[in-house]
Amino acid sequence: EVQLVESGGGLVQPGGSLKLSCTASGFTFSGSSMHWVRQASGKGLEWVGHIRTKANRYASAHAASVKGRFTIARDDSKNTAYLQMDSLKTEDTAVYYCTRLIEGSSDAFDIWGQGTMVTVSP
Amino acid sequence: QTVVTQEPSLTVSPGGTVTLTCASSTGAVTSGYYPNWFQQKPGQAPRALIYTTSNKHSWTPARFSGSLLGGKAALTLSGVQPEDEAEYYCLLYYGGAWVFGGGTKLTVL
Repeated sequence: EVQLVESGGGLVQPGGSLKLSCTASGFTFSGSSMHWVRQASGKGLEWVGHIRTKANRYASAHAASVKGRFTIARDDSKNTAYLQMDSLKTEDTAVYYCTRLIEGSSDAFDIWGQGTMVTVSP
Repeated sequence: QTVVTQEPSLTVSPGGTVTLTCASSTGAVTSGYYPNWFQQKPGQAPRALIYTTSNKHSWTPARFSGSLLGGKAALTLSGVQPEDEAEYYCLLYYGGAWVFGGGTKLTVL
């Protein structure tokens, strides 16, 4: 079965750090660009960032709202993508999803994980 | 700051047709923005429906279609079913970064 499973969410104080994981199964992880998306309670989806494949030199990009605080990485040997979140703010409180982008002549997002909740609170 | 704009809410009758749109603050949306559309129901993760303007996933019901319309990306639902009541999001590519629209809450009434 093709799936993504996020883990690592929890409660953290403002200014703290947290590392989320997204573990893939059922497909060739190393050939997929991986993205993180978040959603605050009652709000819309926000693209957080991505990391591309080895063939694309593991290039990454991040939304302006998290740039310099969040870092996306991957370990293809473990079929896992990571979201390292530092200097967390209360406004980072959200459900964090990972999703796969199939790059090519058509850029297609397809599978999503179930999400992991991050709460930033004193 | 790039802004992607969707209708906040729309209402459609069962069996009817409705079009949701997705506009970019930078100008006309083209296929080069690789428009993707997603459906999200309460308490669930988003589900991909359409990629690169008009391509459907294997699980996308035939009543959903994507297009470019008047400088915007568009998602049309024909023969709307009660289970189509959900939030719908578009996603556009801006040369290295992606931006979601604010979402359209579709009510089937």
